[in-house]
Amino acid sequence: DAKTTQPTSMDCAEGRAANLPCNHSTISGNEYVYWYRQIHSQGPQYIIHGLKNNETNEMASLIITEDRKSSTLILPHATLRDTAVYYCIVRALDKTSYDKVIFGPGTSLSVIP
Amino acid sequence: DAGITQSPRHKVTETGTPVTLRCHQTENHRYMYWYRQDPGHGLRLIHYSYGVKDTDKGEVSDGYSVSRSKTEDFLLTLESATSSQTSVYFCAITRQSGNTIYFGEGSWLTVV
Repeated sequence: DAKTTQPTSMDCAEGRAANLPCNHSTISGNEYVYWYRQIHSQGPQYIIHGLKNNETNEMASLIITEDRKSSTLILPHATLRDTAVYYCIVRALDKTSYDKVIFGPGTSLSVIP
Repeated sequence: DAGITQSPRHKVTETGTPVTLRCHQTENHRYMYWYRQDPGHGLRLIHYSYGVKDTDKGEVSDGYSVSRSKTEDFLLTLESATSSQTSVYFCAITRQSGNTIYFGEGSWLTVV
């Protein structure tokens, strides 16, 4: 699986959009971009994933650049409960990609009142 | 909720004792994983399983063994616990229908 790089930490004002970037310059054509978050003392929570088109669900939006070398997770109206560590990973979505999935250190997002 | 139950949720044990953590799933997922999480290291893969009796090592497998004798249970064993194995351990699964990984709520292990 390709490696990702993310900023170590970010701040966001409550009610504003939080934009979390991720670089994955070595991503392969069959690899998806996944985002997870981890609130303190809880297990990581799946947020969203995408291949090349932008995706949106009830939690967030995912914007993937045309060259697929980077992406941005958008939390449209951040709340204090969105304070968490956010992980970006890439992996293939096929029958053979059951093997190890590596998480990097992620981005620690602090939502400020 | 992916039907994952980890036990015990909290344990304190002494150095040199064996410890087994259990991950139980109720939805017949084929792929299961054990991660540990420590400050400054993020999530690190210990071992994973791609079926009954089929397991493989992750990036930090030294000092750990696993077993999967039935689909629903993935056991992580510390044969002789050390203080460096004090950590939070997360079990995870991949559903049959896709590769999204879902995590359990964690097991806090303290080795004194």
